[in-house]
Amino acid sequence: AQSVTQLDSQVPVFEEAPVELRCNYSSSVSVYLFWYVQYPNQGLQLLLKYLSGSTLVKGINGFEAEFNKSQTSFHLRKPSVHISDTAEYFCAVSRYSSASKIIFGSGTRLSIRP
Amino acid sequence: DTEVTQTPKHLVMGMTNKKSLKCEQHMGHRAMYWYKQKAKKPPELMFVYSYEKLSINESVPSRFSPECPNSSLLNLHLHALQPEDSALYLCASSQDLGQGYNEQFFGPGTRLTVL
Repeated sequence: AQSVTQLDSQVPVFEEAPVELRCNYSSSVSVYLFWYVQYPNQGLQLLLKYLSGSTLVKGINGFEAEFNKSQTSFHLRKPSVHISDTAEYFCAVSRYSSASKIIFGSGTRLSIRP
Repeated sequence: DTEVTQTPKHLVMGMTNKKSLKCEQHMGHRAMYWYKQKAKKPPELMFVYSYEKLSINESVPSRFSPECPNSSLLNLHLHALQPEDSALYLCASSQDLGQGYNEQFFGPGTRLTVL
């Protein structure tokens, strides 16, 4: 079975400050890793995904994430946030063998203060 | 076109009503999904269709009835719902179920309120 833990339910930061959203996962099988973003009153949008290769993955809107196999982590970072980054962020995993089920973390609400 | 569309955007219904949610994609995807999302929670999987056949039913009550008329369309028929069924209903699609790296593309959702 797989599980995803997002350690922070809310992260408040000032505009133009850096941010890191933490994600740890647990799985007995190989998994792919994803970060999705949900802006207010919208559906989910893929920010980035780790499939293989370089452990540093770059996504849309200036976000990047680093896969750390030994620590089973996939933390999301942005060097300078903007008001428009205010949203809910979900870390997720899916098994190598099937896309039928994505296991989502509980989400982190990123709120940007001017 | 990488868009999943959902109609209606908002729906208010009584407990005795029958209504339907509609989802459409034109990306040639062969897997389609229904999720339910309560406020401040992640989406919960309800149903998965693969090549127009129901592949997964996550023990959803029978008052929710999915239908996949063709490879581009997914419906969710609602009947005799309860107030606790009020939520955001999200549709998603992916290329197929075969590989876990196939990302899911989500629609904007239908905000359902059951009175």
